[in-house]
Amino acid sequence: QVQLQQSGPGLVKPSQTLSLTCAISGDSVSSNSAAWNWIRQSPSRGLEWLGRTYYRSKWYNDYAVSVKSRITINPDTSKNQFSLQLNSVTPEDTAVYYCASGWGMRAWGKGTTVTVSS
Amino acid sequence: DIVMTQSPDSLAVSLGERATINCKSSHSTLYNSNNKNSLAWYQQKPGQPPKLLIYWASTRESGVPDRFSGSGSGSDFTLTINSLQAEDVAVYYCQQYYSVPITFGQGTRLEIK
Repeated sequence: QVQLQQSGPGLVKPSQTLSLTCAISGDSVSSNSAAWNWIRQSPSRGLEWLGRTYYRSKWYNDYAVSVKSRITINPDTSKNQFSLQLNSVTPEDTAVYYCASGWGMRAWGKGTTVTVSS
Repeated sequence: DIVMTQSPDSLAVSLGERATINCKSSHSTLYNSNNKNSLAWYQQKPGQPPKLLIYWASTRESGVPDRFSGSGSGSDFTLTINSLQAEDVAVYYCQQYYSVPITFGQGTRLEIK
């Protein structure tokens, strides 16, 4: 059974970089059948998929167009985890951020409330 | 992008009765390689992440009570909750994973009448 443990700061200043990590247990970030997603939720945007990373003989990434110029999702095989970096944040990036596995996403992190404020 | 539209936005149903939530996609979600629809349903309670109920439009996730069922194909889908229980009060979301960006419906709030 896959479990995901999120970590990272809950407060980020405008124009700075939001960084979150999702540690995986019960599966491998390098699995040839898995995908590792970041999703956020806010009252104004609802559930918004941000992007994913997955391994199929090589690493692939897909990103939402709305954040494509600012986002990086990286796997870390040495720690069996993956990370989210979102650059140049504004108050509109304030949301609960989740990591989740799969396509029908059966495992989710507990969520990190991130507030963008000075 | 595939737009997912749920109806209704909110729903009040008596205990023991049936709740029906609809989801319409702006594009077919039929995955040709397995002839299944790339459509999932989630339940979300306050302060919790979404919980997967149904995937491939009609396959119930392990541990989900059998009063939850999914149906539909192409671009029209339904989540049915039979014999509504108090613990089913939640917001329900559909999601397509046919293509990126993965997209969710706006949610349907289910309450007890």
